[in-house]
Amino acid sequence: DAKTTQPNSMESNEEEPVHLPCNHSTISGTDYIHWYRQLPSQGPEYVIHGLTSNVNNRMASLAIAEDRKSSTLILHRATLRDAAVYYCIPNAGGTSYGKLTFGQGTILTVHP
Amino acid sequence: DTEVTQTPKHLVMGMTNKKSLKCEQHMGHRAMYWYKQKAKKPPELMFVYSYEKLSINESVPSRFSPECPNSSLLNLHLHALQPEDSALYLCASSQWPRGYGYTFGSGTRLTVV
Repeated sequence: DAKTTQPNSMESNEEEPVHLPCNHSTISGTDYIHWYRQLPSQGPEYVIHGLTSNVNNRMASLAIAEDRKSSTLILHRATLRDAAVYYCIPNAGGTSYGKLTFGQGTILTVHP
Repeated sequence: DTEVTQTPKHLVMGMTNKKSLKCEQHMGHRAMYWYKQKAKKPPELMFVYSYEKLSINESVPSRFSPECPNSSLLNLHLHALQPEDSALYLCASSQWPRGYGYTFGSGTRLTVV
């Protein structure tokens, strides 16, 4: 599995955009980049995933670098409910297909 | 129904007890997973079931015994656990073989005394 590097923690103010970075320099060509988040006292929650192109959904946007060695999860307007641990997970293909391995993640604090 | 339901939500058991954790989903997912999460750590994969067959065991001790009686149910049988096994046990499901769109339950908080 590709290794990931994420900031241990980040802070934001409510209603402001948040950019959560992730480095995955050892990613292989077939790895998708998945983002999950875990709110306090809950199980992880799927946020978004992508392969090469930037992706948008109702929760967030995912910007993927051209060389695919890094990506950024963008929350356009942070709310208090977005306070969570955010995990960036390259999903290996082949025998590991379908197996999600969580790294340490980024703890996001949102201030009112 | 877009949920994964785990029962019980909390469980306290002695080291000589036998107990089971239950997980249920009705989304038609054919892959189900058990994860273990210690406090302030990321979830760690324990087992993967694909089409009701065990496909991945991440070298989990035999005191944890998974079972998948049908495509909607996943159990984790616990026997002779140690206090260090106290953790949050999370169940998840996904359509196989895609690796995205996992749905997680809220977990069972297990305390071994």
